[in-house]
Amino acid sequence: QSALTQPPSVSGSPGQSVTISCTGTSSDVGSYNRVSWYQQPPGTAPKLMIYEVTNRPSGVPDRFSGSKSGNTASLTISGLQAEDEADYYCSSYTSSSLYVFGTGTKVTVL
Amino acid sequence: EVKLVESGGGLIQPGGSLRLSCAASGFTVSSNYMSWVRQAPGKGLEWVSVIYSGGSTYYADSVKGRFTISRDNSKKTLYLQMNSLRAEDTAVYYCARDGVEGITGPGYYFDYWGQGTLVTVSS
Repeated sequence: QSALTQPPSVSGSPGQSVTISCTGTSSDVGSYNRVSWYQQPPGTAPKLMIYEVTNRPSGVPDRFSGSKSGNTASLTISGLQAEDEADYYCSSYTSSSLYVFGTGTKVTVL
Repeated sequence: EVKLVESGGGLIQPGGSLRLSCAASGFTVSSNYMSWVRQAPGKGLEWVSVIYSGGSTYYADSVKGRFTISRDNSKKTLYLQMNSLRAEDTAVYYCARDGVEGITGPGYYFDYWGQGTLVTVSS
């Protein structure tokens, strides 16, 4: 099972919006609404930001939103803040091996 | 408050064995789907293994036949027995709880993570 494909990096100025893509296949992202997103600042454990494509856990700011179209899921951060600088990973259920993570994207706030 | 605390990591020679532990509090381990996820230095996340609330276990192909996941309900602890360790197993190992509780099936997302324990396989 290959990792889901994410861009290595995205950047934006404070207040701007950035979108991270997560491309899989019809065996994972394309066929199941089991996509989640995690934020990982350097040296810390991942934190759940989005689950089941669009749902936000309690305590996650509504600046974070998720969507999906075909085999590609997306995480959008609106109103970018300095504290959003971190690595972000998507994940999906996959029929071949249950769980697969994305390659990771580093978000830089300029 | 839900809390997961891993332990047992360290330096081990190739071919050796190590057992990781994950002490859970604030919820019932046996009612949840619990996974191990690892992250090699400077690399991305990789799912390793899961134990279902009903006891079924599943593994990534990269560790199948070498790693064993288990739990002790009375001790509220999750384990990962790692045998025949290789250099490519070097990573921080996290235990993580699935966001869905019960027996209807996992949600395939992780709502709580431990702080991780580092395993280094080197001679």
